[in-house]
Amino acid sequence: DAKTTQPPSMDCAEGRAANLPCNHSTISGNEYVYWYRQIHSQGPQYIIHGLKNNETNEMASLIITEDRKSSTLILPHATLRDTAVYYCIVRVAHSGGGADGLTFGKGTHLIIQP
Amino acid sequence: EAGVTQFPSHSVIEKGQTVTLRCDPISGHDNLYWYRRVMGKEIKFLLHFVKESKQDESGMPNNRFLAERTGGTYSTLKVQPAELEDSGVYFCASSLLLAGRYNEQFFGPGTRLTVL
Repeated sequence: DAKTTQPPSMDCAEGRAANLPCNHSTISGNEYVYWYRQIHSQGPQYIIHGLKNNETNEMASLIITEDRKSSTLILPHATLRDTAVYYCIVRVAHSGGGADGLTFGKGTHLIIQP
Repeated sequence: EAGVTQFPSHSVIEKGQTVTLRCDPISGHDNLYWYRRVMGKEIKFLLHFVKESKQDESGMPNNRFLAERTGGTYSTLKVQPAELEDSGVYFCASSLLLAGRYNEQFFGPGTRLTVL
């Protein structure tokens, strides 16, 4: 799996958009970008994933640069409940349903300020 | 629908004792994973079951750890004998087994294990 680099921490004001960057300069063609987060004292939670096109779901948007060497997770209207550690994970394309174990790095501790 | 459940939520044992952690995946999820986070470290993958079979156990730290998933439903992770460095939070996750799509992993709340 490609290595990812994320800032250790970020602050964002409540109600504003939170933009979390991730560098993955060694990503290969068949690797996806996945985002999970872990709210304090809970298990990790899936957010979104993408290959090369931008993706959006009810939780967030994922913007992947054209060269795929970096991406940004966007939480459009951050709330206090979005305070968590956010993990950017790059791994090979999922096989026929048998998704493998995830490799979590240190992630970014996002703190939403009231 | 119930999420992934883990039991117990906390366990405090002495070094050398045995502890068994249990995970009940979401109904219908054939993939089941164990992870752990030891103090100050990152979350690490331990192993992956597909139904009752071990698909990948490359993350198991040593032979003091034994995972089972008889019948392909719930799973247990036994630590015997427990050592101080086994202290941490043990997470279980499950996902569907559907081809052609990403099957996100749903995590349980974890079991906090303290070995004294």
